[in-house]
Amino acid sequence: DIQMTQSPSSLSASVGDRVTITCQASQDISNYLNWYQQKPGKAPKLLIYDASNLETGVPSRFSGSGSGTDFTFTISSLQPEDIATYYCQQYDNLPHTFGQGTKLEIK
Amino acid sequence: QVQLVQSGAEVKKPGASVKVSCKVSGYTLTELSMHWVRQAPGKGLEWMGGFDPEDGETIYAQKFQGRVTMTEDTSTDTAYMELSSLRSEDTAVYYCAGSTGTTGGAFDIWGQGTMVTVSS
Repeated sequence: DIQMTQSPSSLSASVGDRVTITCQASQDISNYLNWYQQKPGKAPKLLIYDASNLETGVPSRFSGSGSGTDFTFTISSLQPEDIATYYCQQYDNLPHTFGQGTKLEIK
Repeated sequence: QVQLVQSGAEVKKPGASVKVSCKVSGYTLTELSMHWVRQAPGKGLEWMGGFDPEDGETIYAQKFQGRVTMTEDTSTDTAYMELSSLRSEDTAVYYCAGSTGTTGGAFDIWGQGTMVTVSS
């Protein structure tokens, strides 16, 4: 199975800060990498697909980049409503593995 | 507007089975690749299995092989996930997640989740 390693596991930042989360795959997954946001008690929501494509309706402060094994997720200016846990997911190979998640809090 | 609506919470005893449903509206089930993902309390997301459009088959994570069955009723646009021989570690929220194909293979539609509690 492909292992997805996310870092950091938790992050505290201030409103307006630039926030970056990284995800590393244990082998080359090309650009088959998605990013999800999950708020407490809610289902995950797709934000970024195929490493860098913004899902329809998602604010442009969210972005993604990378290919191969190293990927980055960025929030350009943190807003209070962005408090959530963020997960990367690869779908190059089955099983579709998720990273362990990054819990984002407001400082 | 596409929606996935799941069945309600379940409480089961160890060794029993549970069957969770996921009703599609705004799309037909044949237009989606349906997957199931679970999340134990306070833990991350775990893919259980789903439809692989390249092979035209439902593929299960090895961890659940022999215990899980995912089926679809296209006449009612409802997907089902049945997990047998339940143990306490299966206590989790179970999500159906659909891929419409418009966002690559990403899961762009999610059900609201079904809490399954396994307890004696």
